[in-house]
Amino acid sequence: EAQVTQNPRYLITVTGKKLTVTCSQNMNHEYMSWYRQDPGLGLRQIYYSMNVEVTDKGDVPEGYKVSRKEKRNFPLILESPSPNQTSLYFCATIRGRGLQGGVGSYEQYFGPGTRLTVT
Amino acid sequence: DQQVKQNSPSLSVQEGRISILNCDYTNSMFDYFLWYKKYPAEGPTFLISISSIKDKNEDGRFTVFLNKSAKHLSLHIVPSQPGDSAVYFCATTGAGSYQLTFGKGTKLSVIP
Repeated sequence: EAQVTQNPRYLITVTGKKLTVTCSQNMNHEYMSWYRQDPGLGLRQIYYSMNVEVTDKGDVPEGYKVSRKEKRNFPLILESPSPNQTSLYFCATIRGRGLQGGVGSYEQYFGPGTRLTVT
Repeated sequence: DQQVKQNSPSLSVQEGRISILNCDYTNSMFDYFLWYKKYPAEGPTFLISISSIKDKNEDGRFTVFLNKSAKHLSLHIVPSQPGDSAVYFCATTGAGSYQLTFGKGTKLSVIP
Protein backbone atom coordinates (compact mmCIF):
# COMPACT_ATOMS: atom_id res chain seq x y z
CA GLU A 1 0.00 0.00 0.00
CA ALA A 2 1.32 3.43 -1.01
CA GLN A 3 2.01 5.36 2.16
CA VAL A 4 3.53 8.45 3.68
CA THR A 5 4.15 7.93 7.37
CA GLN A 6 5.01 10.48 10.02
CA ASN A 7 6.19 10.05 13.56
CA PRO A 8 5.27 11.03 16.13
CA ARG A 9 1.63 11.87 15.46
CA TYR A 10 1.38 13.98 18.59
CA LEU A 11 4.11 15.72 20.55
CA ILE A 12 4.13 18.14 23.45
CA THR A 13 7.51 19.62 24.24
CA VAL A 14 9.13 22.60 25.90
CA THR A 15 10.86 25.61 24.42
CA GLY A 16 14.43 24.93 23.35
CA LYS A 17 14.38 21.12 23.43
CA LYS A 18 15.52 19.82 20.08
CA LEU A 19 13.13 17.49 18.29
CA THR A 20 12.83 15.60 15.02
CA VAL A 21 9.69 14.63 13.17
CA THR A 22 10.30 11.75 10.79
CA CYS A 23 8.71 11.27 7.38
CA SER A 24 9.00 8.16 5.27
CA GLN A 25 7.46 7.16 1.93
CA ASN A 26 7.34 3.83 0.13
CA MET A 27 6.47 5.12 -3.35
CA ASN A 28 9.99 5.93 -4.55
CA HIS A 29 8.92 9.52 -5.15
CA GLU A 30 11.62 12.06 -5.91
CA TYR A 31 9.98 15.14 -4.45
CA MET A 32 9.21 15.53 -0.76
CA SER A 33 7.99 18.50 1.17
CA TRP A 34 7.00 19.73 4.63
CA TYR A 35 4.03 21.97 5.34
CA ARG A 36 2.53 23.50 8.40
CA GLN A 37 -1.16 24.20 8.79
CA ASP A 38 -2.38 26.99 11.04
CA PRO A 39 -5.91 28.32 11.54
CA GLY A 40 -6.74 30.99 8.98
CA LEU A 41 -3.44 30.52 7.16
CA GLY A 42 -3.96 27.28 5.27
CA LEU A 43 -1.00 25.15 4.25
CA ARG A 44 2.37 26.84 4.08
CA GLN A 45 5.47 25.13 2.75
CA ILE A 46 8.47 24.93 5.07
CA TYR A 47 11.10 23.05 3.05
CA TYR A 48 11.16 20.81 0.03
CA SER A 49 13.54 18.37 -1.59
CA MET A 50 13.78 17.57 -5.29
CA ASN A 51 15.93 14.51 -4.69
CA VAL A 52 18.56 13.01 -2.41
CA GLU A 53 20.91 15.65 -1.03
CA VAL A 54 18.89 18.43 -2.70
CA THR A 55 16.83 20.60 -0.36
CA ASP A 56 15.51 24.13 -0.56
CA LYS A 57 13.53 26.62 1.48
CA GLY A 58 9.81 27.03 1.12
CA ASP A 59 7.76 29.97 2.31
CA VAL A 60 8.33 29.67 6.07
CA PRO A 61 11.71 27.98 6.70
CA GLU A 62 12.83 29.96 9.76
CA GLY A 63 13.49 27.77 12.78
CA TYR A 64 13.51 24.51 10.80
CA LYS A 65 16.09 22.23 9.22
CA VAL A 66 15.72 19.22 6.97
CA SER A 67 17.92 16.54 5.47
CA ARG A 68 17.52 14.10 2.59
CA LYS A 69 20.19 11.45 2.89
CA GLU A 70 18.07 8.76 1.28
CA LYS A 71 15.13 8.90 -1.08
CA ARG A 72 12.49 7.51 1.26
CA ASN A 73 13.15 9.70 4.33
CA PHE A 74 12.82 13.42 4.87
CA PRO A 75 13.03 14.37 8.57
CA LEU A 76 12.07 17.79 9.88
CA ILE A 77 14.33 19.11 12.63
CA LEU A 78 13.53 21.83 15.12
CA GLU A 79 16.84 22.69 16.80
CA SER A 80 15.32 25.04 19.38
CA PRO A 81 11.53 24.93 19.24
CA SER A 82 9.53 27.97 20.22
CA PRO A 83 5.82 28.39 20.99
CA ASN A 84 5.16 29.97 17.58
CA GLN A 85 6.07 26.61 16.05
CA THR A 86 3.04 25.04 17.67
CA SER A 87 1.20 23.78 14.63
CA LEU A 88 -0.03 20.82 12.60
CA TYR A 89 2.72 19.51 10.32
CA PHE A 90 2.33 17.51 7.13
CA CYS A 91 4.88 15.71 5.05
CA ALA A 92 4.04 15.23 1.38
CA THR A 93 5.52 13.58 -1.71
CA ILE A 94 5.12 14.04 -5.46
CA ARG A 95 6.03 11.44 -8.03
CA GLY A 96 7.73 13.97 -10.25
CA ARG A 97 8.66 13.69 -13.96
CA GLY A 98 6.43 16.62 -14.87
CA LEU A 99 3.85 16.36 -17.60
CA GLN A 100 5.75 13.50 -19.18
CA GLY A 101 4.66 11.46 -16.24
CA GLY A 102 1.05 12.22 -16.98
CA VAL A 103 -1.45 14.45 -15.27
CA GLY A 104 -0.92 12.63 -12.01
CA SER A 105 2.64 13.82 -11.73
CA TYR A 106 1.79 16.94 -9.74
CA GLU A 107 -0.48 15.30 -7.22
CA GLN A 108 0.86 15.34 -3.69
CA TYR A 109 0.41 12.49 -1.27
CA PHE A 110 0.21 13.68 2.29
CA GLY A 111 1.09 11.99 5.52
CA PRO A 112 -1.42 11.86 8.39
CA GLY A 113 0.01 14.89 10.18
CA THR A 114 1.94 15.61 13.38
CA ARG A 115 0.33 17.81 16.00
CA LEU A 116 3.14 19.68 17.78
CA THR A 117 2.67 21.80 20.89
CA VAL A 118 5.59 23.82 22.24
CA THR A 119 5.09 25.26 25.72
CA ASP B 1 0.83 38.77 -0.92
CA GLN B 2 -1.58 35.90 -1.32
CA GLN B 3 -1.26 34.31 -4.73
CA VAL B 4 -4.13 31.89 -4.25
CA LYS B 5 -7.31 33.08 -2.58
CA GLN B 6 -10.29 31.19 -1.31
CA ASN B 7 -12.49 34.02 -0.18
CA SER B 8 -15.16 31.94 1.51
CA PRO B 9 -13.88 30.42 4.77
CA SER B 10 -17.03 28.32 5.05
CA LEU B 11 -20.02 27.12 3.07
CA SER B 12 -23.19 25.29 4.10
CA VAL B 13 -25.26 23.33 1.59
CA GLN B 14 -28.27 21.05 1.86
CA GLU B 15 -27.75 17.41 1.00
CA GLY B 16 -28.54 16.73 -2.64
CA ARG B 17 -27.90 20.30 -3.77
CA ILE B 18 -24.88 21.65 -5.60
CA SER B 19 -21.81 22.85 -3.71
CA ILE B 20 -19.67 25.45 -5.47
CA LEU B 21 -16.27 26.26 -4.05
CA ASN B 22 -14.29 29.11 -5.58
CA CYS B 23 -10.62 29.95 -5.91
CA ASP B 24 -8.84 32.94 -7.45
CA TYR B 25 -5.19 33.21 -8.35
CA THR B 26 -2.99 36.12 -9.33
CA ASN B 27 0.01 34.60 -11.10
CA SER B 28 -0.61 34.00 -14.80
CA MET B 29 2.35 31.59 -14.83
CA PHE B 30 0.33 29.05 -12.88
CA ASP B 31 -0.76 26.35 -15.28
CA TYR B 32 -1.80 23.38 -13.22
CA PHE B 33 -4.54 23.44 -10.62
CA LEU B 34 -5.59 20.93 -8.00
CA TRP B 35 -8.24 20.50 -5.33
CA TYR B 36 -7.58 18.70 -2.08
CA LYS B 37 -10.03 17.55 0.55
CA LYS B 38 -9.15 17.35 4.22
CA TYR B 39 -10.97 15.67 7.05
CA PRO B 40 -10.08 16.47 10.68
CA ALA B 41 -7.11 14.48 12.01
CA GLU B 42 -6.10 13.36 8.51
CA GLY B 43 -3.76 14.63 5.84
CA PRO B 44 -5.20 16.29 2.72
CA THR B 45 -6.14 13.91 -0.08
CA PHE B 46 -6.11 14.70 -3.76
CA LEU B 47 -9.54 15.18 -5.31
CA ILE B 48 -9.33 16.47 -8.87
CA SER B 49 -7.04 18.55 -11.05
CA ILE B 50 -7.00 20.50 -14.30
CA SER B 51 -4.28 21.81 -16.55
CA SER B 52 -4.42 25.22 -18.17
CA ILE B 53 -5.05 23.75 -21.61
CA LYS B 54 -8.52 22.72 -20.48
CA ASP B 55 -11.47 24.60 -19.07
CA LYS B 56 -13.31 21.71 -17.49
CA ASN B 57 -12.51 18.37 -15.92
CA GLU B 58 -15.08 16.00 -14.55
CA ASP B 59 -14.77 13.01 -12.23
CA GLY B 60 -18.02 11.56 -11.01
CA ARG B 61 -19.80 14.06 -8.81
CA PHE B 62 -16.86 16.46 -8.94
CA THR B 63 -16.21 18.97 -11.73
CA VAL B 64 -13.53 21.62 -11.82
CA PHE B 65 -13.92 24.66 -14.07
CA LEU B 66 -11.07 26.94 -15.07
CA ASN B 67 -11.50 30.48 -16.38
CA LYS B 68 -8.00 31.60 -17.31
CA SER B 69 -8.96 35.10 -18.37
CA ALA B 70 -10.52 35.69 -14.97
CA LYS B 71 -7.83 33.67 -13.15
CA HIS B 72 -10.59 31.79 -11.43
CA LEU B 73 -11.38 28.17 -10.81
CA SER B 74 -14.28 26.50 -9.15
CA LEU B 75 -15.15 23.07 -7.83
CA HIS B 76 -18.72 21.83 -8.27
CA ILE B 77 -20.01 18.90 -6.24
CA VAL B 78 -23.32 17.49 -7.44
CA PRO B 79 -25.18 16.11 -5.60
CA SER B 80 -23.64 17.05 -2.29
CA GLN B 81 -23.52 14.36 0.37
CA PRO B 82 -22.91 14.57 4.13
CA GLY B 83 -19.62 12.72 3.64
CA ASP B 84 -18.40 15.65 1.53
CA SER B 85 -18.24 17.79 4.67
CA ALA B 86 -14.56 18.69 4.94
CA VAL B 87 -12.10 21.50 4.30
CA TYR B 88 -11.28 21.98 0.62
CA PHE B 89 -8.00 23.51 -0.51
CA CYS B 90 -7.21 24.68 -3.99
CA ALA B 91 -3.57 24.60 -5.06
CA THR B 92 -1.63 25.71 -8.11
CA THR B 93 1.79 25.30 -9.65
CA GLY B 94 3.74 26.52 -12.66
CA ALA B 95 5.24 24.60 -15.55
CA GLY B 96 8.05 22.29 -14.48
CA SER B 97 7.64 23.17 -10.82
CA TYR B 98 6.46 20.88 -8.07
CA GLN B 99 5.98 23.64 -5.56
CA LEU B 100 2.30 23.93 -4.87
CA THR B 101 0.83 27.16 -3.58
CA PHE B 102 -2.27 26.54 -1.49
CA GLY B 103 -5.27 28.65 -0.67
CA LYS B 104 -6.41 28.97 2.93
CA GLY B 105 -9.24 26.51 2.48
CA THR B 106 -13.03 26.50 2.56
CA LYS B 107 -14.90 24.46 5.14
CA LEU B 108 -17.88 22.77 3.50
CA SER B 109 -20.76 21.54 5.64
CA VAL B 110 -23.39 19.42 3.93
CA ILE B 111 -26.55 19.37 6.00
CA PRO B 112 -28.64 16.18 5.89
